[in-house]
Amino acid sequence: NAGVTQTPKFQVLKTGQSMTLQCAQDMNHEYMSWYRQDPGMGLRLIHYSVGAGITDQGEVPNGYNVSRSTTEDFPLRLLSAAPSQTSVYFCASSPQGRSTDTQYFGPGTRLTVL
Amino acid sequence: TQLLEQSPQFLSIQEGENLTVYCNSSSVFSSLQWYRQEPGEGPVLLVTVVTGGEVKKLKRLTFQFGDARKDSSLHITAAQPGDTGLYLCAGSLSNSGYALNFGKGTSLLVTP
Repeated sequence: NAGVTQTPKFQVLKTGQSMTLQCAQDMNHEYMSWYRQDPGMGLRLIHYSVGAGITDQGEVPNGYNVSRSTTEDFPLRLLSAAPSQTSVYFCASSPQGRSTDTQYFGPGTRLTVL
Repeated sequence: TQLLEQSPQFLSIQEGENLTVYCNSSSVFSSLQWYRQEPGEGPVLLVTVVTGGEVKKLKRLTFQFGDARKDSSLHITAAQPGDTGLYLCAGSLSNSGYALNFGKGTSLLVTP
C-alpha cells in the first residue's frame, strides 16, 4: 500500500491564482482531512470528510473548497490564492474518524504564495 | 485560543539524557494521541491514551494520561539522536475525531 499520497510536493503561486492540491489514499478509509501547518501554530484543520459525498468545515476553512466524489480522493482547492495561505498542507486519513483511530498523514505540500 | 499547550517549545539535549514533554489543557479529553514528525514528512502516530491515569510504554518512551484526562506527558529515557523531531499531542473533546485539536509541538534535538 502507498498509504496517503499528496501532489505536488512544492508549489509557488502568484496572488489570485487558483490551484488544486491532490490527496489520495489506498487504505479504504472513510475519514479524510486537510490540515495546514504554520510555524508556531501547530496543525489546524481546514476541511474534513466522513465519507464519499460528505464534507464539512474545520477550524480554518475560508479560502478553501473541497469535494469527495470517491472514497480514495480528497482534493483541496484554493480559489484565489493569498499570501496568508503560504503554508505546509497535510492530508490525513483514518478508518472511521474516531478519536482513537490512527490518523495517517501524507508527506505534505509546501505552498508559497507571492 | 490554543486548547492544548505543550512545553517546552524547544529542547536541546545530549545523547543519554532523560527528558519529559508536557501537554496541558483546561478541557477534558476523551482521548489523547502523541505524534512524532520529522523534517519534510507528515506526523506519525506514536500512541493513543484513553483512560485517565493510563501509562503506556513504547521502548524508551513512556506516555501518561492525567487522572482527570486534562493533561499528558511523554518521558524519554536515555535519548538518542534518532529521537530528534517534533513531538505533537492531539486530543478530541468527544468520541468523534472530527475535531482533533493539536498542540503547537515540542521540537527536540538530541546531539551525539
